[in-house]
Amino acid sequence: AQKVTQAQTEISVVEKEDVTLDCVYETRDTTYYLFWYKQPPSGELVFLIRRNSFDEQNEISGRYSWNFQKSTSSFNFTITASQVVDSAVYFCALSGNNAGNMLTFGGGTRLMVKP
Amino acid sequence: DAGVIQSPRHEVTEMGQEVTLRCKPISGHNSLFWYRQTMMRGLELLIYFNNNVPIDDSGMPEDRFSAKMPNASFSTLKIQPSEPRDSAVYFCASSRSAREVTYNEQFFGPGTRLTVL
Repeated sequence: AQKVTQAQTEISVVEKEDVTLDCVYETRDTTYYLFWYKQPPSGELVFLIRRNSFDEQNEISGRYSWNFQKSTSSFNFTITASQVVDSAVYFCALSGNNAGNMLTFGGGTRLMVKP
Repeated sequence: DAGVIQSPRHEVTEMGQEVTLRCKPISGHNSLFWYRQTMMRGLELLIYFNNNVPIDDSGMPEDRFSAKMPNASFSTLKIQPSEPRDSAVYFCASSRSAREVTYNEQFFGPGTRLTVL
């Protein structure tokens, strides 16, 4: 069975602060992929990143960075110098080789960035 | 390129009525997923098609729900009869897969907000 846990249900920061969203996963699969999605107030789900289990290099894309640590089964997401437009619900998801194409989503973290 | 298209965007209906939600996946994608999102239960996978064939429907709540994918560019999710507890946002997503297993990202449609009175 697969499981994704996002322990932080809600985070509030002031603009320009850095913020890290935690994601911890469980899987028995040896090969798996991890994902982050953003759901802004408008409601659509926007794909942000995919990472496979064999690649533990951290990734940076502009103000976004991801830290994948297999040893702790974590795939954390950091937003540097947060902006009001970053306010959204962020979902971490997992897909393993025994789950076919299916994603297991975490419960989401609501990020509120105040001006 | 057009993303995943869903219609209607909003649906308000009365208990007992039939509801049909529609989805057009991204051209070239051969996997299609229906999800339901509620405050209480979060995002739930209802059913997943690969090459128009239902692969896993274990998330479909009950017999009132049915889904079809008659061709590669169209899918429907039907609720008959609808109940107030079916009120939720229903998302359709698609991805490109190869052979049996792939881990490609899923691209989501804008969702259909269903309210059953």
